[in-house]
Amino acid sequence: AQSVTQLDSQVPVFEEAPVELRCNYSSSVSVYLFWYVQYPNQGLQLLLKYLSGSTLVKGINGFEAEFNKSQTSFHLRKPSVHISDTAEYFCAVSGGNTDKLIFGTGTRLQVFP
Amino acid sequence: NAGVMQNPRHLVRRRGQEARLRCSPMKGHSHVYWYRQLPEEGLKFMVYLQKENIIDESGMPKERFSAEFPKEGPSILRIQQVVRGDSAAYFCASSPSSDAYNSPLHFGNGTRLTVT
Repeated sequence: AQSVTQLDSQVPVFEEAPVELRCNYSSSVSVYLFWYVQYPNQGLQLLLKYLSGSTLVKGINGFEAEFNKSQTSFHLRKPSVHISDTAEYFCAVSGGNTDKLIFGTGTRLQVFP
Repeated sequence: NAGVMQNPRHLVRRRGQEARLRCSPMKGHSHVYWYRQLPEEGLKFMVYLQKENIIDESGMPKERFSAEFPKEGPSILRIQQVVRGDSAAYFCASSPSSDAYNSPLHFGNGTRLTVT
């Protein structure tokens, strides 16, 4: 079975600073990895996804994530955040192309002016 | 091109009543997933349905909860005899196929259920 751990429940950061949101997964099989963003009172939107190939994945809104197989991590990064990036970010894993998504508990990114 | 539509957005029920949550998937999507979001707990998978079939209900509580996705009409998540612990945001997601990578999930804005 797959599982996802997001160690940071909240990450406060000032505008234009870099940010990293951490995600670790566990799985006995090859996985698909995803990052989703949830703005207040809305559903989740896909930021980026990884299956194989280059370990650095670029997504929307200037976000990117790096897959590290040895550390079983898929951390999300942005070099310079904006106030509008304030939201909840969820890491998710799927064990195969017909397997359901398993989500982490989320990290609330709060960007201050 | 409408996205995933969930209604109602907010639902208030007294303990013991029934709650019906509706989800209309995106056009062309025949795969529907229901998730429940509790504070500090992220999203928990509940059930995965295709038209007229329940594919995976491993996340559904054994009692009081049921889901359907009929040939015509929206998917329905039904909670009978609600209790305060059922208060949560319920999200529906749809996809054109079961391929989680090539057909990522599209989420609705959720139904926030409050049980008083």
